[in-house]
Amino acid sequence: EAQVTQNPRYLITVTGKKLTVTCSQNMNHEYMSWYRQDPGLGLRQIYYSMNVEVTDKGDVPEGYKVSRKEKRNFPLILESPSPNQTSLYFCASKPKAGTGTDTQYFGPGTRLTVL
Amino acid sequence: KQEVTQIPAALSVPEGENLVLNCSFTDSAIYNLQWFRQDPGKGLTSLLLIQSSQREQTSGRLNASLDKSSGRSTLYIAASQPGDSATYLCAVLGGATNKLIFGTGTLLAVQP
Repeated sequence: EAQVTQNPRYLITVTGKKLTVTCSQNMNHEYMSWYRQDPGLGLRQIYYSMNVEVTDKGDVPEGYKVSRKEKRNFPLILESPSPNQTSLYFCASKPKAGTGTDTQYFGPGTRLTVL
Repeated sequence: KQEVTQIPAALSVPEGENLVLNCSFTDSAIYNLQWFRQDPGKGLTSLLLIQSSQREQTSGRLNASLDKSSGRSTLYIAASQPGDSATYLCAVLGGATNKLIFGTGTLLAVQP
């Protein structure tokens, strides 16, 4: 089944403890992206990747890192999480980067709470 | 800077009614517009994608229209059912970064 998977789905952690949220897609998509969703603010892009080894900042990149060493995986790294990073995180992918003709597919979300 | 607005923020209708959800955007230079559905605690499911050159798209009981020049899109749901209850998000794609810019959604409740 074609899908975008994220792990973990739920995570409660403490300030300063490094964590990684994994994202994987099995559709050979070029483009991958991370969004966070907060009440009243909607979804905002954190980082995106046009292809392997090509990543760039979105609208709210502060406090996050990403890597794209292989096409299927796009992990989101929080080196020193803070309470303002408590949010619902979504990974997304689409077949071709740089085009506007195709749909973005979203993972199920990761609900992160930082105490 | 592109801004996307959805009105109303919440809507409650009795089962069987036809309804319209609205989405407006400030910059008409978009590649496409997508409507998504989000169920509580779940991810986003793409419902319809309209290219910038298209006027509308249909899928089953759903019909989405796009008027790029006026910066508006509507999602029409025919014969609503309780299973349609969810948050509906619209998003526009603009620029080579493929970033989706989302509205804050309309929470729809269809009463049996």
